[in-house]
Amino acid sequence: DADVTQTPRNRITKTGKRIMLECSQTKGHDRMYWYRQDPGLGLRLIYYSFDVKDINKGEISDGYSVSRQAQAKFSLSLESAIPNQTALYFCATASGVRETQYFGPGTRLLVL
Amino acid sequence: GQNIDQPTEMTATEGAIVQINCTYQTSGFNGLFWYQQHAGEAPTFLSYNVLDGLEEKGRFSSFLSRSKGYSYLLLKELQMKDSASYLCAVKPNAGNNRKLIWGLGTSLAVNP
Repeated sequence: DADVTQTPRNRITKTGKRIMLECSQTKGHDRMYWYRQDPGLGLRLIYYSFDVKDINKGEISDGYSVSRQAQAKFSLSLESAIPNQTALYFCATASGVRETQYFGPGTRLLVL
Repeated sequence: GQNIDQPTEMTATEGAIVQINCTYQTSGFNGLFWYQQHAGEAPTFLSYNVLDGLEEKGRFSSFLSRSKGYSYLLLKELQMKDSASYLCAVKPNAGNNRKLIWGLGTSLAVNP
């Protein structure tokens, strides 16, 4: 079984809809991250959390919110989706001194 | 500002050796990562360097020079499956602000 899972894997939604992307991990890591990836723009950090009570904005948090429901779960919400939020979204986890990040398989989101 | 530079694209021949360079300008340095990402898939961890020198792991090696702000990833005995994007990322800070700075990636095409 995969250590980091994301649901859904693909999602098509309409402008103005609220959607939630979920991430779960069995690695026992304390740190979790949400990124989006767009062609030519690379990976950009949306939110990150170093433990259940710690949530931090990344470089592009506007239009997004997160919830760290447990150490193993970190959800990303788009309150009112817009077309320029169409992207590939990745969740990642990390722990330890080195803090190597391990990525989930990604969610491909299309906002019409 | 903080910046990572990598070539956008490279081409190599199956069986050959290729070197992918990464230069960085960051406020501090606490480690450099290389990731591989196949099209439409998640980044996967390849290597980590925190001290100067060469780290070898099978067909892949990674080199770091902190004084020059420079790293390279060396891929030997290239295979078709090595066609992917290679991402360089730097951890500039220790402490609670431990976000990675990501390069845009180098797209490597391996030809027969």
